[in-house]
Amino acid sequence: SQQGEEDPQALSIQEGENATMNCSYKTSINNLQWYRQNSGRGLVHLILIRSNEREKHSGRLRVTLDTSKKSSSLLITASRAADTASYFCATSPPSGNTPLVFGKGTRLSVIA
Amino acid sequence: SAVISQKPSRDICQRGTSLTIQCQVDSQVTMMFWYRQQPGQSLTLIATANQGSEATYESGFVIDKFPISRPNLTFSTLTVSNMSPEDSSIYLCSVLPGQGGEQYFGPGTRLTVT
Repeated sequence: SQQGEEDPQALSIQEGENATMNCSYKTSINNLQWYRQNSGRGLVHLILIRSNEREKHSGRLRVTLDTSKKSSSLLITASRAADTASYFCATSPPSGNTPLVFGKGTRLSVIA
Repeated sequence: SAVISQKPSRDICQRGTSLTIQCQVDSQVTMMFWYRQQPGQSLTLIATANQGSEATYESGFVIDKFPISRPNLTFSTLTVSNMSPEDSSIYLCSVLPGQGGEQYFGPGTRLTVT
């Protein structure tokens, strides 16, 4: 079953703009991870944020986590056409030693 | 991190046949998983394949349809048996090298059943 729900399902922006994707989940977590998938290929790991963290940065990516609201957001700044992909959030249960449960994903299109 | 390869990368198969997908990891990992991604959908966990024990299947997936082998800490296979068009999906293997850490994915096997 899916734990996360991404919002929006699809997002279209102009190159140079920022893109924000949201993820909500239902149960307690050990960590939350974001992935990118290009055209039905394998998943690229973007960032992991632990339940005791509130914000993490990696290059043009910023991830926030609000455990009280059971939600996370992924911000991509200064987007590029190459950022066009599907983005998924996935949660790890409190034990931290079990497979991730994935949300439905957001399809991002960056128009040059 | 872990580098994962899968074979084949894609295949087109006839209904009623079986396909075995191989997953090779560049380091020893205890925890390995198989996921399915149906067209336009998210990832669904098929089973957990830890070395030294029988695979554990999620609800809706059975061993007769998706037999899994895990002979050592760097290799696993997933067989899709008696295929039907509904089995057309991307199949991905994944590993969890460390407790509570990042989970890594292979490039996937795109299966089309005609």
